[in-house]
Amino acid sequence: QKEVEQNSGPLSVPEGAIASLNCTYSDRGSQSFFWYRQYSGKSPELIMFIYSNGDKEDGRFTAQLNKASQYVSLLIRDSQPSDSATYLCAVNAGGFKTIFGAGTRLFVKA
Amino acid sequence: DTEVTQTPKHLVMGMTNKKSLKCEQHMGHRAMYWYKQKAKKPPELMFVYSYEKLSINESVPSRFSPECPNSSLLNLHLHALQPEDSALYLCASSQESNQETQYFGPGTRLLVL
Repeated sequence: QKEVEQNSGPLSVPEGAIASLNCTYSDRGSQSFFWYRQYSGKSPELIMFIYSNGDKEDGRFTAQLNKASQYVSLLIRDSQPSDSATYLCAVNAGGFKTIFGAGTRLFVKA
Repeated sequence: DTEVTQTPKHLVMGMTNKKSLKCEQHMGHRAMYWYKQKAKKPPELMFVYSYEKLSINESVPSRFSPECPNSSLLNLHLHALQPEDSALYLCASSQESNQETQYFGPGTRLLVL
């Protein structure tokens, strides 16, 4: 059974701080990794994708991938109250299926 | 443009009703997906179409019937649903189906009475 694990949270950080969201996956053959943001009652919105080991930065967001440790993370710098949402880690292990983690709820306090 | 549209936004139906959910994308994507999402749970894959052919059916009950009339459209026909089928139904598309980024539509909030 392929699994994607996330801490459900809530993760609470003050405004302006760095939020660090973590995800582990079980299938060593996984190739593609995604972070989606989902506001309550809305659909998932793609934040970042990463395919290679290392860091990938896009604005305030940095995705980090370590395939040897089967670990992917998302850092949000200068966190804003509008970043408060559930962050879904998703992993594609090949073929048609993308496996979603249960999500981490992030709360940014003003 | 990474837009996937879904109609209706909300749907209330009785257990004897027949209804359809619609999804459309004009990004030239060749893979389209239906997901079901219950509150505080991740999306669960239901069906995948690749090049207008059904590629995956995740053992979904036959009261859910997908249809892909062309590469831009995806329907989900609903019949004799149960209250536990109430959920957010999400459509997504990707350029191909293999490891590509999926873009989600806004979803249809379904309530079965």
